[in-house]
This record gives sequence, structure tokens and C-alpha cells, in this order.
Amino acid sequence: AQSVTQLDSQVPVFEEAPVELRCNYSSSVSVYLFWYVQYPNQGLQLLLKYLSGSTLVKGINGFEAEFNKSQTSFHLRKPSVHISDTAEYFCAVSGDTGNQFYFGTGTSLTVIP
Amino acid sequence: KAGVTQTPRYLIKTRGQQVTLSCSPISGHRSVSWYQQTPGQGLQFLFEYFSETQRNKGNFPGRFSGRQFSNSRSEMNVSTLELGDSALYLCASSLRGPNSYNEQFFGPGTRLTVL
Repeated sequence: AQSVTQLDSQVPVFEEAPVELRCNYSSSVSVYLFWYVQYPNQGLQLLLKYLSGSTLVKGINGFEAEFNKSQTSFHLRKPSVHISDTAEYFCAVSGDTGNQFYFGTGTSLTVIP
Repeated sequence: KAGVTQTPRYLIKTRGQQVTLSCSPISGHRSVSWYQQTPGQGLQFLFEYFSETQRNKGNFPGRFSGRQFSNSRSEMNVSTLELGDSALYLCASSLRGPNSYNEQFFGPGTRLTVL
């Protein structure tokens, strides 16, 4: 079985500052890892995904994440945030046995002007 | 290409009633998954349908059920509603079925309020 832990429930950060949202997972099998963003009253939008290959993954809106197998982590980073990045961010893991995704509890990112 | 659509977007019901939510996947997608999102529990997997068959099921009581039609549209039903069923119900579609990676595309959700 897989599980995901997002270590920070809320992250306030000033505009143009860097940000890191932390995600750790546990799994006994090979995994696929994802970051989704959810804006108010909307569904989830895929930011980036790790399937295999390079451990540094680049996504949309300037976000990137690094897969670290030894630390079972998949932290999300952005070097300079904008007001429009204010949203809820979810880390998710999917095993190789189907479409079932396991989500973390989410991190609320608030960008302060 | 149109995205995943969910109807209705908002729903208010009373305890004991039942409700049916609908999801139309992206054209060509054959897999539909359902999730419940609440502030306390976060996003929880309900079930996944592929080719009209339930392939995976989360840890929810039997009051939660679903089905998929031949055109891949899916419905989920909740019977004997409880206050705790108030949540955002999200549907996600993907191109292929189980046993392989598939990117999931999410709809906007149906906000269910149980009074």
C-alpha cells in the first residue's frame, strides 16, 4: 500500500521569494509521483509528474520537483512565487497496479504581496 | 477537446435522501475514478471504473456505489445520506485502464451539502 505525507499544512511566503513544499511517500512498489494544484472552487490541475528517468522534473508555471528515492521524497519548488500561485497543492502517488491515486492532505500556499 | 464535466456543480440534500452525481470523461477516455474531498480527510479514493466494470474500490461503506455506461460516462450514487457525506466529489478520467500508468484529468467537482 502507498501513502503520502505533506509535512506542512500551510505555507505563507512573500511574493518573489522561493518556496518549497514538502512531500514524503511510502510504498513497497515502484511508484509514480505527482503534484496537483487546486484553485478555489475548481478541480485539480496537474503541475508535474515523475514516472521514470531524470529525478528532476519540470512542470508548468515554473514549478519543479526532485524525486529522491533514498529519502522517499518528492518536494516541490519554485524559485520566485507570484500572487497567482496562491492555491492548495497536493502531492499524490500511484502504484503500478492501477489508477488508484493516494493523495496527501494538501498544503495551502499563500503568497503575501 | 472538452474536459471532464460533472453535473450538477452544487447540490443540497437532507439526511436520509439519496443522490446521484454524473461525470462525463474526456472523449476517448475509458477510465473514470471518483474521489471525495473533505477538509478533515482530504482527498479519498472512492472507486474506479473501466469498460463498465469496477476495477478498484476505496474504503467506503456500501452506501456509496457507482456505475459506468458504454459511452464511458459514469454516475455515483450515495444512499441514506449522512451529514458527514457533505463534501466535494471529484471525478477524474484517464485514457487507458488498470495495470498501467495513466495521467488523470480532473473535473471541477460537485459540491454536495447534506442538511
